[in-house]
Amino acid sequence: DAMVIQNPRYQVTQFGKPVTLSCSQTLNHNVMYWYQQKSSQAPKLLFHYYDKDFNNEADTPDNFQSRRPNTSFCFLDIRSPGLGDAAMYLCATSGTGSSGANVLTFGAGSRLTVL
Amino acid sequence: GQNIDQPTEMTATEGAIVQINCTYQTSGFNGLFWYQQHAGEAPTFLSYNVLDGLEEKGRFSSFLSRSKGYSYLLLKELQMKDSASYLCAAMDSNYQLIWGAGTKLIIKP
Repeated sequence: DAMVIQNPRYQVTQFGKPVTLSCSQTLNHNVMYWYQQKSSQAPKLLFHYYDKDFNNEADTPDNFQSRRPNTSFCFLDIRSPGLGDAAMYLCATSGTGSSGANVLTFGAGSRLTVL
Repeated sequence: GQNIDQPTEMTATEGAIVQINCTYQTSGFNGLFWYQQHAGEAPTFLSYNVLDGLEEKGRFSSFLSRSKGYSYLLLKELQMKDSASYLCAAMDSNYQLIWGAGTKLIIKP
């Protein structure tokens, strides 16, 4: 089945120790998103790619970086995680960046714990 | 600024009907989405409205009034598995999604 796959599902790291979260998709969607979601809060958009065109949200901290080496893969790097970065990180894709029903398909998420 | 408002939590009884309201303010409008999110899981798409009126999809229906900046999600014949958070999201003129914090729906037997 076509899908969005995130790894790892659960990541525990120490304060300041870098982590990389990965996302792959078999939907052949050209738009990929990284969201951060904390408990009982709205998902917060960190980055999105339209094909290889990178879009950084204005309030995304420099501590967060992203890479999209090809259409199918996307990575989220957190260079020096702090306690406030503990959250669920959601990868999503969509088939188009600018029309009608821009439905997002989400991966299962990567839950980050910072000790 | 852009904003989505929806109730934080609602409680309903198994087999009943519940309506979850959402009001939005966005710069331009390109549609209103509802997603369901079970605890600890990713959101899954439920419905999309871009024209005024009611869209029915099985037990779930979604309504939109663009002039009022208002939408609701109607869930009928509630089942225990419907216990989840329901996220309302509006798409602005730049095709960016503005998300609400979600309404946690608790279903009681």
